[in-house]
Amino acid sequence: QQQVKQSPQSLIVQKGGISIINCAYENTAFDYFPWYQQFPGKGPALLIAIRPDVSEKKEGRFTISFNKSAKQFSLHIMDSQPGDSATYFCAARTGGGNKLTFGTGTQLKVEL
Amino acid sequence: GAGVSQTPSNKVTEKGKYVELRCDPISGHTALYWYRQSLGQGPEFLIYFQGTGAADDSGLPNDRFFAVRPEGSVSTLKIQRTERGDSAVYLCASSLWSGGNNEQFFGPGTRLTVL
Repeated sequence: QQQVKQSPQSLIVQKGGISIINCAYENTAFDYFPWYQQFPGKGPALLIAIRPDVSEKKEGRFTISFNKSAKQFSLHIMDSQPGDSATYFCAARTGGGNKLTFGTGTQLKVEL
Repeated sequence: GAGVSQTPSNKVTEKGKYVELRCDPISGHTALYWYRQSLGQGPEFLIYFQGTGAADDSGLPNDRFFAVRPEGSVSTLKIQRTERGDSAVYLCASSLWSGGNNEQFFGPGTRLTVL
């Protein structure tokens, strides 16, 4: 059972553009939603995270938008740079839980 | 400081063999997690330790998989009678403690190939 659905599978954006990745979840017990960035040959690294009591969180060029009623959340990367080219995973965790449930990933390529 | 380290970085084995994968967490981190990442997929949870004990092993696919953390630091994931379907990258993560907004720091993974 895929509890976190992620789209698109791949994304190509021009340098300076906005990259948008979307996720939807089913389990209403999820209460922590992180985004991870993974470069080839490396483990995932936490980028930004949000709890459902806020609708938006911004850190530098990265913003999470959260829609609790629709059970959807998205990552926006402003002013995308070639160095942002990586695979991005959304994830979710239940309250008091410890295991992360990951989406299937989005391979982002930022072209010059 | 040093991050999570995993050894070996690559392991090639034959079907039916036994393998051990090692994880050294960040010093002082009490929680340790194992995930498995198949090609083109997100990591899937296998097992989580709080200290020396396995607090949640609900993600282990079957009884061929076993993990230990005898002294509350280094952990070893053990796979018996390996199958071709076990081929994946095995990721280890650690966190200061469990729960809350506690960030999980991931190692680079061990790429296991079963021939």
